[in-house]
Amino acid sequence: GAGVSQSPSNKVTEKGKDVELRCDPISGHTALYWYRQRLGQGLEFLIYFQGNSAPDKSGLPSDRFSAERTGESVSTLTIQRTQQEDSAVYLCASSLAGPHTGELFFGEGSRLTVL
Amino acid sequence: GNSVTQMEGPVTLSEEAFLTINCTYTATGYPSLFWYVQYPGEGLQLLLKATKADDKGSNKGFEATYRKETTSFHLEKGSVQVSDSAVYFCALNPTGANSKLTFGKGITLSVRP
Repeated sequence: GAGVSQSPSNKVTEKGKDVELRCDPISGHTALYWYRQRLGQGLEFLIYFQGNSAPDKSGLPSDRFSAERTGESVSTLTIQRTQQEDSAVYLCASSLAGPHTGELFFGEGSRLTVL
Repeated sequence: GNSVTQMEGPVTLSEEAFLTINCTYTATGYPSLFWYVQYPGEGLQLLLKATKADDKGSNKGFEATYRKETTSFHLEKGSVQVSDSAVYFCALNPTGANSKLTFGKGITLSVRP
């Protein structure tokens, strides 16, 4: 399809394991974002990529979290040594221009459960 | 800092009822304001937006007016349908090209036939 694609849609892991979440943005979208939504909470900004600029990592909650993006395509969010508080839905979004337009296109999310 | 506060949910209405979902914000400067909607099994999508005070955003019968004096952006629809059942998120984008959207907690709307 032409939308933002995320995988896996569901991931259950044991505490202490590493996980990788993947996001395939809409073709041609230069901006890519990761957000996190914990149960009963709003969306929490994690990281933002814009073209070849240095990513804005200001929302990453700890050094266990990292993300990469290859050019203007796929991005992976890696969580090392997962903790139970990492359980959440991780949302990826992309946009044509920067965030100031507000028009982000979201994937369906990856639901992470840490046991 | 920037924040968005939405009314507590969930909200359950009968078809053709009037809908109001409250949203207030805290931000410096003149942010842009947005409503996003997430239908079951789908990703969030932009519903409407307003970029300056007194602007009214509208789409699919929904409206919201940017009220700077009350720092609000309440979502309204005159007659809801079952297909409007979804989660609704209010969001703001502060001034600046590299700023990020700040979202509220979202509210679940269920419309009964």
